[in-house]
Amino acid sequence: EAQVTQNPRYLITVTGKKLTVTCSQNMNHEYMSWYRQDPGLGLRQIYYSMNVEVTDKGDVPEGYKVSRKEKRNFPLILESPSPNQTSLYFCASSNDRYYGYTFGSGTRLTVV
Amino acid sequence: AQSVSQHNHHVILSEAASLELGCNYSYGGTVNLFWYVQYPGQHLQLLLKYFSGDPLVKGIKGFEAEFIKSKFSFNLRKPSVQWSDTAEYFCAVNARNNDMRFGAGTRLTVKP
Repeated sequence: EAQVTQNPRYLITVTGKKLTVTCSQNMNHEYMSWYRQDPGLGLRQIYYSMNVEVTDKGDVPEGYKVSRKEKRNFPLILESPSPNQTSLYFCASSNDRYYGYTFGSGTRLTVV
Repeated sequence: AQSVSQHNHHVILSEAASLELGCNYSYGGTVNLFWYVQYPGQHLQLLLKYFSGDPLVKGIKGFEAEFIKSKFSFNLRKPSVQWSDTAEYFCAVNARNNDMRFGAGTRLTVKP
């Protein structure tokens, strides 16, 4: 089944403790992206990647890092999480972003 | 930069009522337009999309949307809503060499 898999689904952590949210897709998509969803703000792009070793900032990249060492994986790294990063995070992938995305199931992160 | 406005934050309807959710975008060039739905606790799923051709597009579950270029609008409609349509609805716009932009979302509550 074609899908985007994120882990974990839920995560509660403390301020400053480094964490990684994994994202993997099995559709051989070149394009992958991370969004955060906050009430009243919709989805805002954090980082995107157009291919292996090619990443770039989205609209809200501060406090996040990403890497794209393999085509299928695109982990999101929070080196020192803060409470304002409490949010719902979605990974997405596409063959061509112009034609839309397939989304993962989301990761609900709470930073206390 | 392109932006997307969804004017209705929360819509409450009774079953069998008709639905229209507004979406306006600001971008002068050619765009692709999308409506995504997010059921409670789930990821975003594509409802319908418009790339070109007939401005009235039909999607899944009886939804349709009309692209009116002169008004920069892409409103979502359904003639008769069901309780199972309770969800959050996101309009999104994508232009070449730009990434997808989402509206803030409209929460639809359908009362049985």
